[in-house]
Amino acid sequence: AQSVTQPDIHITVSEGASLELRCNYSYGATPYLFWYVQSPGQGLQLLLKYFSGDTLVQGIKGFEAEFKRSQSSFNLRKPSVHWSDAAEYFCAVTPYNAGNMLTFGGGTRLMVKP
Amino acid sequence: DAGVIQSPRHEVTEMGQEVTLRCKPISGHNSLFWYRQTMMRGLELLIYFNNNVPIDDSGMPEDRFSAKMPNASFSTLKIQPSEPRDSAVYFCASSLRTGNTEAFFGQGTRLTVV
Repeated sequence: AQSVTQPDIHITVSEGASLELRCNYSYGATPYLFWYVQSPGQGLQLLLKYFSGDTLVQGIKGFEAEFKRSQSSFNLRKPSVHWSDAAEYFCAVTPYNAGNMLTFGGGTRLMVKP
Repeated sequence: DAGVIQSPRHEVTEMGQEVTLRCKPISGHNSLFWYRQTMMRGLELLIYFNNNVPIDDSGMPEDRFSAKMPNASFSTLKIQPSEPRDSAVYFCASSLRTGNTEAFFGQGTRLTVV
């Protein structure tokens, strides 16, 4: 079975600083990969996804992620964080033939200092 | 489209009572998922429907939980009898089964069993 690890439970960055959230997955083949964001009391919103092709994917709100097969990683980045980015971020995977049966990481809570 | 609609948004019930959570998927989507989010276990997939048929219910915790999808536009998740450890946020999500697509999540139902 696949698994997802987000090593950082909490991250605090200053507004305007760069951000990288880590995600490692365990799966025998290349899965489909996703990053979702959850604001307090809200549902999950998709930031970006990787299915195949270019390993650097662009998402909404200025986020990007890079798939590195050799490292089984799909890290999320943003060059300049805004206060409104404070939220919880989830990395998720699904096997390519399993529809959207997602396995989620434990999440990383991002706090932004003014 | 209004997105995935869940009701109620909040539910408080007494232990032993029956609880029914409802979900209306995005029109045209043929896959529907129920997830549960808790502090201890994070986001877990409970059950997956495709074309109204349950495909994978291996995540349903025990027989007290049941889910139905009588038609393409409605699903329920029922807990009977409810227990305090069922307190969680329950999310419904929908997607297209074919192609490279993502799952869209509802706002969730926060269930508290006292």
